[in-house]
Amino acid sequence: DTAVSQTPKYLVTQMGNDKSIKCEQNLGHDTMYWYKQDSKKFLKIMFSYNNKELIINETVPNRFSPKSPDKAHLNLHINSLELGDSAVYFCASSLQGAGYGYTFGSGTRLTVV
Amino acid sequence: AQKVTQAQTEISVVEKEDVTLDCVYETRDTTYYLFWYKQPPSGELVFLIRRNSFDEQNEISGRYSWNFQKSTSSFNFTITASQVVDSAVYFCALSEPLTGNQFYFGTGTSLTVIP
Repeated sequence: DTAVSQTPKYLVTQMGNDKSIKCEQNLGHDTMYWYKQDSKKFLKIMFSYNNKELIINETVPNRFSPKSPDKAHLNLHINSLELGDSAVYFCASSLQGAGYGYTFGSGTRLTVV
Repeated sequence: AQKVTQAQTEISVVEKEDVTLDCVYETRDTTYYLFWYKQPPSGELVFLIRRNSFDEQNEISGRYSWNFQKSTSSFNFTITASQVVDSAVYFCALSEPLTGNQFYFGTGTSLTVIP
């Protein structure tokens, strides 16, 4: 029943590891996003995909790579994790772009130790 | 320049008080949308309201009300008779669907309601 689901909810890993966060939406939306929320609660867009095509790619390290196998899924893979990557990552989806607002997943709290 | 400004970083009120969260936005578009989201301590982001630029009617939903004023580029949010469950971070956001289809969040206002 969950509209936008992301897994895992918590992820604790060591520096240098590679990890993935998965996101799936069952709303039939055509656009999906990844946001990073830092410790000060600031929400920063990372990527946006529309129908499996990358449309926004903000300045993030190329250690972060999104993958969209179909328009219902947008996964985030992170290589060589660093301490500064610790944050909450939110997946979101929207219908026909940003005008209708986002439906967010519940977030993944990533802690790099 | 910040597209969405939430000048109040933190607010504390005593339960049952009314509280207004300010939001000022900046856009040159004539078509845009404004939003409020709530992030309770559990962490999820909950959609509260969407308003398009052509609809300046104020909206009331239970104890929540929103005041949209294009003349001052503001979209303020008032909680009447606040409750402890209202404690959360509240985000105002702007989307410009016709220019780049971007979505801009404010920096959030942390509201604490003291019992």
